Amino acid sequence: DTAVSQTPKYLVTQMGNDKSIKCEQNLGHDTMYWYKQDSKKFLKIMFSYNNKELIINETVPNRFSPKSPDKAHLNLHINSLELGDSAVYFCASSQSVGNTIYFGEGSWLTVV
Amino acid sequence: AQSVTQLGSHVSVSEGALVLLRCNYSSSVPPYLFWYVQYPNQGLQLLLKYTSAATLVKGINGFEAEFKKSETSFHLTKPSAHMSDAAEYFCAVSEDNAGNMLTFGGGTRLMVKP
Repeated sequence: DTAVSQTPKYLVTQMGNDKSIKCEQNLGHDTMYWYKQDSKKFLKIMFSYNNKELIINETVPNRFSPKSPDKAHLNLHINSLELGDSAVYFCASSQSVGNTIYFGEGSWLTVV
Repeated sequence: AQSVTQLGSHVSVSEGALVLLRCNYSSSVPPYLFWYVQYPNQGLQLLLKYTSAATLVKGINGFEAEFKKSETSFHLTKPSAHMSDAAEYFCAVSEDNAGNMLTFGGGTRLMVKP
């Protein structure tokens, strides 16, 4: 079973559209994250939720809105997509008392 | 503030040769350090981590890394490269005690020649 799963894996969409990427973890973790990997391969944290509460919110346009319906899910909704949003988005989870972060396989978003 | 620098965006070795991937970090507090590997079209997998215990850390697939505070380094090594080691490797640092916020380096692509 996949520990951290995110869908869709590939997404091609036009500028201005609204899209969502879903993430689910079956590890029983209480903390989930979204990371963005840009074209230069740099991974940067976007958001972190602990027990459904937002604890990390880096400098991200407010077009990006994470939603955590429960501890096992953290979905990323993006409004009014722009070309610069094209990237690979990684969901991840961890148990807060430890520091091993488990990543999903990534979602390749291409905005055209 | 914390940062990670990986020297060399591409490293090429022959199969059976030593693998050395360099990582230097900057941190205002004792760091937690990690190496992740990303195979093509896959997510990141944890190779190993340093959390202030032994300075020489052994990970999966024969990799190990040594924390050197005086050099602010955490280089990744493997005595003998295998073709299946070809991937992108990321070094990361966390200052958070729970390690819940990682700062990644730019990655090093390892190529293994037959």
